[in-house]
This record gives sequence, structure tokens and C-alpha cells, in this order.
Amino acid sequence: DAGITQSPRYKITETGRQVTLMCHQTWSHSYMFWYRQDLGHGLRLIYYSAAADITDKGEVPDGYVVSRSKTENFPLTLESATRSQTSVYFCASSSPAGGYEQYFGPGTRLTVT
Amino acid sequence: QKEVEQDPGPLSVPEGAIVSLNCTYSNSAFQYFMWYRQYSRKGPELLMYTYSSGNKEDGRFTAQVDKSSKYISLFIRDSQPSDSATYLCAGSGYSSASKIIFGSGTRLSIRP
Repeated sequence: DAGITQSPRYKITETGRQVTLMCHQTWSHSYMFWYRQDLGHGLRLIYYSAAADITDKGEVPDGYVVSRSKTENFPLTLESATRSQTSVYFCASSSPAGGYEQYFGPGTRLTVT
Repeated sequence: QKEVEQDPGPLSVPEGAIVSLNCTYSNSAFQYFMWYRQYSRKGPELLMYTYSSGNKEDGRFTAQVDKSSKYISLFIRDSQPSDSATYLCAGSGYSSASKIIFGSGTRLSIRP
């Protein structure tokens, strides 16, 4: 399927467990982003990547790890999940020519118990 | 202080009304100003963008930016129930590497 996909769509995990959220895009966009969306905070940038093997921290990176070995994939790992990481996570991508337009995935709703 | 401030609402108006959504921002480096629309349990999608100050119209939607007062507005004419969504304003710099800073979103409901 063309576009940007995220998996899983819903996830419940326990405190202390490692969780990986997957993101895949088919446009060959060089930029990819991970956001979390919480009531009252809007979208906050966790990590972003300008190209394969190039990643950088966003506004709220603590507790998260990313990697990007291939242009089309950008997984986000919660090394030891905490209740404060309960949120909706969105992956997005954009091309260098249109940095103002990001294409978002459908989101992953994560609950940490 | 957040770089982009937005009233979270909710805002409820009758069908056919004119809707005005507003944001303020503090980052003088912003050159692009965007409105994203997010339906319930979906990802945001770009609705409109404006470069620098001025107005931009697209059908029933008009985006307005006043850089002197750091004010961003979105007007929706002849509002429809299908316009019910959360609207996020956002700003970014000129460089393609600039990050987008989003407001917290205004939830809008159009009553039939």
C-alpha cells in the first residue's frame, strides 16, 4: 500500500517492558519524524531523521531510541516503558522540497499499565 | 511560553456559520504558517499553508497571517458537519530542515 503506515495500531504493555513502534513509508521521503500527542500538549516531536543513518533529538527524547538503517523505515523503541509514555504516537514524513508539509501515519495508541 | 499558542476549545457552531480559529506565535524565524486538520482517531493532514504574511483562499477556507502581531487565523465559510475536526495551527522556518512547531489544536464541532 502506498503512503505511510504504522504498526501496531493499538498496544497495551506493562511498566518496564521494551516496546517498538514501527513506521514505514513508500514515498522515499528523506525526512521522517516521531511525535507524541497528549491532551493539552498537542504534537510534540520526539526524534527526527534527515536521511538513513542520520537522526536527531526533538523536544521530548528521554526514554526513547530510534534508528534508521533504511530510508523507508523509522522504528521508535521505548527501552523501559513508563506510565507517562501512555500516549498516541504519530510517525510522519516529508520531502526536502516541502518541509512545511508532513504526511502523517494513522497513529499508534499506546497504553502503559 | 509555548512557541505556538492555540485555544483548545471546544468550539461548537451551527451549520452554515462562519468559523474563526486563531493562534499566536512567538518565534520570529517562522516563515511558513500551516493549518492541519485532524479527524477523530486519524493522523493530521495539511489543510492550507501560507508563506510569510498575507491571505490565502482555498474554497470555503481562508488562512490569514499577520507577522507584525504574530497572529495566525483560519476562517471557514458556510461550515459543514464534515468540517468537525481538530484544527492545529503550526509554524516553521524557511529551511527545508526546519522543524514544524504545532499548536495544541482547537476542537471544532458543526451542529446540523
